[in-house]
Order: sequence, then C-alpha cells, then structure tokens
Amino acid sequence: DQQVKQNSPSLSVQEGRISILNCDYTNSMFDYFLWYKKYPAEGPTFLISISSIKDKNEDGRFTVFLNKSAKHLSLHIVPSQPGDSAVYFCAASTGTYKYIFGTGTRLKVLA
Amino acid sequence: GAGVSQSPSNKVTEKGKDVELRCDPISGHTALYWYRQSLGQGLEFLIYFQGNSAPDKSGLPSDRFSAERTGGSVSTLTIQRTQQEDSAVYLCASSSPTNRLSETQYFGPGTRLLVL
Repeated sequence: DQQVKQNSPSLSVQEGRISILNCDYTNSMFDYFLWYKKYPAEGPTFLISISSIKDKNEDGRFTVFLNKSAKHLSLHIVPSQPGDSAVYFCAASTGTYKYIFGTGTRLKVLA
Repeated sequence: GAGVSQSPSNKVTEKGKDVELRCDPISGHTALYWYRQSLGQGLEFLIYFQGNSAPDKSGLPSDRFSAERTGGSVSTLTIQRTQQEDSAVYLCASSSPTNRLSETQYFGPGTRLLVL
C-alpha cells in the first residue's frame, strides 16, 4: 500500500517555464512533508519542506504548496533551469523520524 | 569530506554470498538510517539507529538482513545468503534531530548492489 504517491514518473519542461511536480498521500496523520532532489549516482539532497500548519513555503525559485483536504502537495519551480533536471522525491512523516517516500518524478528541463 | 560516505560504491556478488555495506555518517549526527531503492521504486525504509541502538528495525525485509552501529558512528548493513531480489541501491542517511524542523536527513551516494 503506497501511502505517498507520485503518479507522474517523468516530466519535461522548457527552460524558463514553470515545473509542477505533484505528490498525493493517503495518511491524514502525516504532518510534515519534504522534497528531495536526486542527481544520478548521488544521494538525494534536501530541497524544501512544509509543515501541515502551513499551506505554502517558498525558497527562491522553489515553492511547495500543501492542500490538506485533498491530501496533495506540489512543488513549483519557477523559472526552470537545465540544472534542475533530476529525480524529485516527496516524503511525508507523522511526526517521527520515519519518512515515507514516493517513487519519484524525473524532471527534464529542455534548453 | 563533511558528507555521508558509503562503501563500496558498487558491489557485484553471486547469489548465496554474504555482503557488507558500510556507512560513515556526518560527524556528530546521532541518527542514522538505511534505505533501499529498487528499480522503479521509491526509497524503502529499512532501519533507524539512535546512537548505537536500533529502536526501529521494522523495515528489514527478512532475517537475512542485519545492521549494527558502533561508537555512535559507522554503521554496517549485512545481507546474508544474497538473493537476486536484493539487487538495489542501498542508501544511508544521517541527521541531528535537535528539533522537528531541523530533522533533515543527509544522504550518502549509495551502494549499488547487483546479485547475479
């Protein structure tokens, strides 16, 4: 049973445009969410997080939106750059050390 | 370097052999995690260490898998009698949970295990 789902395995976006990566979850007890970015042959690196008490968190070109009623979060990258091409994982936690990760979305930003 | 390191970076073994995977966390990080990523799958939680103890081993797939951590630092994940389905990337992460919002996990580059 996949508690955290990233239904789009891949996404291609033109440089300069917005990239929107989506993540859905089923456990209403999740209260903390993160996005990680992974380049080939490297471990995932933390990108941005959001607590369930907020519905938006912004850090430079990256914004995460949380819709608790829909159990949905999304990562927006504006403007997209070729260096953003990577696999993006969302992860969720119920307030403990244990994070449940999605299967990832491979983003390709076309120059 | 200051990051999480893992060795070996790649490991090819024959079915039935034992393998040991090593993780060196960031100095001072008390929490250490092992994950597995099989082809086309997300990161699957295996085990969590706080210091040298493992309060949560719930993710270990079978009794062929074990892990230990010594000196609150280096951790070893051992897979006995490897099977082909054990082929995956094994990722280690560490964190210094002083409060919830700083519990970012820092990942190593992973060990790619291939069981023939």
